[in-house]
Amino acid sequence: DAGITQSPRYKITETGRQVTLMCHQTWSHSYMFWYRQDLGHGLRLIYYSAAADITDKGEVPDGYVVSRSKTENFPLTLESATRSQTSVYFCASRPEYPTQYFGPGTRLTVL
Amino acid sequence: SQQGEEDPQALSIQEGENATMNCSYKTSINNLQWYRQNSGRGLVHLILIRSNEREKHSGRLRVTLDTSKKSSSLLITASRAADTASYFCATDASSSNTGKLIFGQGTTLQVKP
Repeated sequence: DAGITQSPRYKITETGRQVTLMCHQTWSHSYMFWYRQDLGHGLRLIYYSAAADITDKGEVPDGYVVSRSKTENFPLTLESATRSQTSVYFCASRPEYPTQYFGPGTRLTVL
Repeated sequence: SQQGEEDPQALSIQEGENATMNCSYKTSINNLQWYRQNSGRGLVHLILIRSNEREKHSGRLRVTLDTSKKSSSLLITASRAADTASYFCATDASSSNTGKLIFGQGTTLQVKP
């Protein structure tokens, strides 16, 4: 089925561990985005990508790393997870400016 | 920094009533969108209004934009229980049209059957 998927949907990890959240889209949209959603903050942009091998920082990039070797995949890595990174993470792609399609989210808990 | 501030934070109405939620923002924008988020789900695009537009309709949705007041409102008419969700405004103020969106904190709408 066409769409945008995220994996895992739920993840519990410990402080200091590396975690990678996966995002895959089947439409071949050029732009992809990563957000985190926290109570009291709404959604905040972490990183975005305009195309394969082109990425840029958003509002809250510290502690995160992204890569985009293929158009359809946009993984987000927490190099050394901290409790403050406990959040719900959403990936999105853009079919046409400026609308975005969102994935179902990954709920991450860092103990 | 939050571009959009939404009001009210929570709204509870009866089925059949209209629901109005408001969004204010701080800087000049290219466009403004409204998204819906059902509990535990991702966001779904509802409607887009561009900076040179004042009002748009889509089904039971009506969006207005007042750039002089830097505010927008979303009206849902004849609400249904299925409209229960959180609603977010999102603004695009990027100079390069990258489409980097800034979201408000959202309005949680409960529609009672």
